[in-house]
Amino acid sequence: DAGVTQSPTHLIKTRGQHVTLRCSPISGHKSVSWYQQVLGQGPQFIFQYYEKEERGRGNFPDRFSARQFPNYSSELNVNALLLGDSALYLCASSLAQGNQPQHFGDGTRLSIL
Amino acid sequence: AQTVTQSQPEMSVQEAETVTLSCTYDTSESDYYLFWYKQPPSRQMILVIRQEAYKQQNATENRFSVNFQKAAKSFSLKISDSQLGDAAMYFCAFSDAGNMLTFGGGTRLMVKP
Repeated sequence: DAGVTQSPTHLIKTRGQHVTLRCSPISGHKSVSWYQQVLGQGPQFIFQYYEKEERGRGNFPDRFSARQFPNYSSELNVNALLLGDSALYLCASSLAQGNQPQHFGDGTRLSIL
Repeated sequence: AQTVTQSQPEMSVQEAETVTLSCTYDTSESDYYLFWYKQPPSRQMILVIRQEAYKQQNATENRFSVNFQKAAKSFSLKISDSQLGDAAMYFCAFSDAGNMLTFGGGTRLMVKP
């Protein structure tokens, strides 16, 4: 079975642009979470979606938004990109909310010039 | 808010030897879960071991075991019979019942042949 898939693998943008990152969860998983990992640091929680509803939000500005589709795939959108948004963006899926192991994708490396 | 601290930025171990990675956390929650994740250069975050806070028995997965000290809020990872493939970044993580992960800053483990 396919694991969590993220696209694109690598993306280069300039300041002020917007970006959309995509995530397909493992088949049967209904919860998707997004994390930002700046180089040399641990991942930081951005959003969690379950059954197409936002269930949690981390300490990120309103420039960050996300949504989950009926097939449980998810998009993370970032507007007005800043240099500090350069990071690895990780998506994780789990069967449901609550005490469920999270399975991570390989991430999208976003570079802002 | 929960915090997770890993005080060892780097550790090294000789192949076949044992190494212990340290982690402390702070929370006011009584029901929570603790994890160790491994992140090799391939970027994918891989779950190594998981501990439920309500369980007194320390979790074990083959060569990996934890020392969970709830009163001290300490959660260390012991890797026995270290192998070259164990070389990676190791992240300690905490989640409450909502399954949103809070990560530590990571420990880079090097394995010497």
